[in-house]
Amino acid sequence: GENVEQHPSTLSVQEGDSAVIKCTYSDSASNYFPWYKQELGKRPQLIIDIRSNVGEKKDQRIAVTLNKTAKHFSLHITETQPEDSAVYFCAPGDSNYQLIWGAGTKLIIKP
Amino acid sequence: DTGVSQDPRHKITKRGQNVTFRCDPISEHNRLYWYRQTLGQGPEFLTYFQNEAQLEKSRLLSDRFSAERPKGSFSTLEIQRTEQGDSAMYLCASSLEPHNTGELFFGEGSRLTVL
Repeated sequence: GENVEQHPSTLSVQEGDSAVIKCTYSDSASNYFPWYKQELGKRPQLIIDIRSNVGEKKDQRIAVTLNKTAKHFSLHITETQPEDSAVYFCAPGDSNYQLIWGAGTKLIIKP
Repeated sequence: DTGVSQDPRHKITKRGQNVTFRCDPISEHNRLYWYRQTLGQGPEFLTYFQNEAQLEKSRLLSDRFSAERPKGSFSTLEIQRTEQGDSAMYLCASSLEPHNTGELFFGEGSRLTVL
């Protein structure tokens, strides 16, 4: 079956530094690559997504890069702030938007 | 609030009892998903509906679980003969396809504790 792995499982960075989370998937049919953010006790929310015809997408301090050949995509957060502390999930999906979720990466921003 | 709403937010039950959760999606959304999430894990897909049709159900899902969306609006998820392993957060999400381009809008979840 499909396999989705995120690394690292926990990431601690100094406020102001950058954070990178990597997601590796196995399903060649995946062509939609979202990242969701879930703050403690809250619902998951989409923060950025990319499709397989694009290699990189940016939205202010957040970017996603895709390497479809190697079957991985990454979330980049620059100039991290305390409110970036959360669990981040990748959830690659097919053309029908059936998502397979990773186990999550806990991002801790140290003041 | 026009977001996804779920009820009840918390449910404590004894093993062997039946429980039912309700989800009201964003009104114009045609897709509705049920997920289960345990501590430290990502959401696990259970089932989804396109309008009133249940299009997919997880192969791992026990037959004690059943979901309905009779009029293509709200949905219910019933768990029969609950077990302690059913304790989890049950998340509902909705989307509008093909126009919504993949984004899922989640509710706050219904937390189930089975004693």
